[in-house]
Amino acid sequence: DAGITQSPRHKVTETGTPVTLRCHQTENHRYMYWYRQDPGHGLRLIHYSYGVKDTDKGEVSDGYSVSRSKTEDFLLTLESATSSQTSVYFCAISESTGGSEKLFFGSGTQLSVL
Amino acid sequence: GNSVTQMEGPVTLSEEAFLTINCTYTATGYPSLFWYVQYPGEGLQLLLKATKADDKGSNKGFEATYRKETTSFHLEKGSVQVSDSAVYFCALTRQGAQKLVFGQGTRLTINP
Repeated sequence: DAGITQSPRHKVTETGTPVTLRCHQTENHRYMYWYRQDPGHGLRLIHYSYGVKDTDKGEVSDGYSVSRSKTEDFLLTLESATSSQTSVYFCAISESTGGSEKLFFGSGTQLSVL
Repeated sequence: GNSVTQMEGPVTLSEEAFLTINCTYTATGYPSLFWYVQYPGEGLQLLLKATKADDKGSNKGFEATYRKETTSFHLEKGSVQVSDSAVYFCALTRQGAQKLVFGQGTRLTINP
């Protein structure tokens, strides 16, 4: 299994509070991604990173920010959590730019915003 | 834009039944196509992939053929097992791009 650790695994928070989710990899892969999984929507890309300090938006980036100060860590921050951000969040990594390259996923973080 | 449409779930079958989960796509250029599987409580993992038209991906008894003429990548298995119970996601990525686009997922339950 790819060395991807997401923390925390579960979190309950209140509307308006800041939340940071962490993804840590031991594979030294260049590309890292944050997805959210919601019923009826599959997985949707929030943000991704193609190197240290290099990040870009995905299709559902509003309300989220990311940072990557080290190759192994990719942080997802909800500046002011809303109930619509209740979801399961998955981090993923990949090694190359090839379109056929597979992604390795973490086990997910269940976030509930009350 | 790029999109993936999967058959509506959930799908419930008996053990040893034949499985088909339909997947069609819309994409510019020549995408690579994937099936990912998510077992309960886990992240997604790659099941199989195909990178060009008429390619067949296969793994663990599952197969899918890249059909450009029908823009489809249907997942099949001849005899399912209880252990195949999971959520299955069809996905695509364009050549040279890293970002996967997922279908909505199909929950499969196999009863003994």
